[in-house]
Amino acid sequence: DADVTQTPRNRITKTGKRIMLECSQTKGHDRMYWYRQDPGLGLQLIYYSFDVKDINKGEISDGYSVSRQAQAKFSLSLESAIPNQTALYFCATSDPRRSSYNEQFFGPGTRLTVL
Amino acid sequence: SQQGEEDPQALSIQEGENATMNCSYKTSINNLQWYRQNSGRGLVHLILIRSNEREKHSGRLRVTLDTSKKSSSLLITASRAADTASYFCATDGGYQKVTFGIGTKLQVIP
Repeated sequence: DADVTQTPRNRITKTGKRIMLECSQTKGHDRMYWYRQDPGLGLQLIYYSFDVKDINKGEISDGYSVSRQAQAKFSLSLESAIPNQTALYFCATSDPRRSSYNEQFFGPGTRLTVL
Repeated sequence: SQQGEEDPQALSIQEGENATMNCSYKTSINNLQWYRQNSGRGLVHLILIRSNEREKHSGRLRVTLDTSKKSSSLLITASRAADTASYFCATDGGYQKVTFGIGTKLQVIP
């Protein structure tokens, strides 16, 4: 969905490096999410935010942190990357007031490889 | 842990055949959603069924929901090669976030 953008799209980094993945949306949605996808494991929720002042941990938040800089921007940071954080990362938005219940709108994903 | 579990995990059919994917979940839900993911890309919402609905249609898609069995099925009729993708169910339990299953990988052979 072009309304949700992620940068970078691909990133290769080394163990111990700090990495930031950025997400921007033009949908005007209040809710934003970060998911991680590993082969055979589906999507796992890392963090979610219901507005600028609201940040919540998901299922697998250890090793990650987030920042909601504005309604439209939600960043995910890996403070010290490790190889098992190699995965496909997705940002998503939703707004139950505007769309069907909690329908999620996904960005194109960031493929992160930690060597 | 994942709320929804899809079955089968992989499915291969010929073009023109119907494809059926199932999803089972563990706790009560407000609604259940199905998403599609083309290889390595973001998920796209297909259809949503509310807990008080039993069946819903959208084009070639038919979704059923049996809350007594905590299960849902997605039927794609007259499949096309372009339907090749992974399909995920997602449950919304009313806790303001959805939980995704591990997906069914569908291959439609031309």
